[in-house]
Amino acid sequence: NAGVTQTPKFQVLKTGQSMTLQCAQDMNHEYMSWYRQDPGMGLRLIHYSVGAGITDQGEVPNGYNVSRSTTEDFPLRLLSAAPSQTSVYFCASSWGRGNTDTQYFGPGTRLTVL
Amino acid sequence: AQSVTQLDSQVPVFEEAPVELRCNYSSSVSVYLFWYVQYPNQGLQLLLKYLSGSTLVESINGFEAEFNKSQTSFHLRKPSVHISDTAEYFCAVSEYNTDKLIFGTGTRLQVFP
Repeated sequence: NAGVTQTPKFQVLKTGQSMTLQCAQDMNHEYMSWYRQDPGMGLRLIHYSVGAGITDQGEVPNGYNVSRSTTEDFPLRLLSAAPSQTSVYFCASSWGRGNTDTQYFGPGTRLTVL
Repeated sequence: AQSVTQLDSQVPVFEEAPVELRCNYSSSVSVYLFWYVQYPNQGLQLLLKYLSGSTLVESINGFEAEFNKSQTSFHLRKPSVHISDTAEYFCAVSEYNTDKLIFGTGTRLQVFP
């Protein structure tokens, strides 16, 4: 199993550009989530999904969209990138509920918005 | 809504010394508590968790944490640290009636020889 994979590993955008961060897992996990990690602020939950077709907002959802059309994939879309979205983004998944099961994290995507 | 406070942003310690990383949480309902570790340039991985039962939980590499409901704390301890324990440690909390896992700001443990 590859576990949780994220692409790309690094990305530089200009303000106003759009892009999609990809996240995939091959463990048949129902729960998936996106976090951003910023210095001094830890990890903050952006969006999460409890299964295909179901998504919900986390702590900092503004500026980000998600969808969950399959169990395996959970892409994160930035519609109009802003410098405040410069961060490291982590995708995570778990077999069952997000509040009790072990979360498995991907290696992260480092995004810079100029 | 739940929240987590990790008061110490950095903890320097010498090898073989004991260490405690502090974590306090806030919630009005029953909670589940976690410690995750992040080694340099990697994603996070679970160190240990408390769901129910014994309030003292242990990891395979010698860390332990104790759930203290009256103090709303879940401090992480190790009696003797190694160089390889150098990493960032995150406390996290979730509530029984949500699917959100909320992380603290992290504590960077630096172990010196």
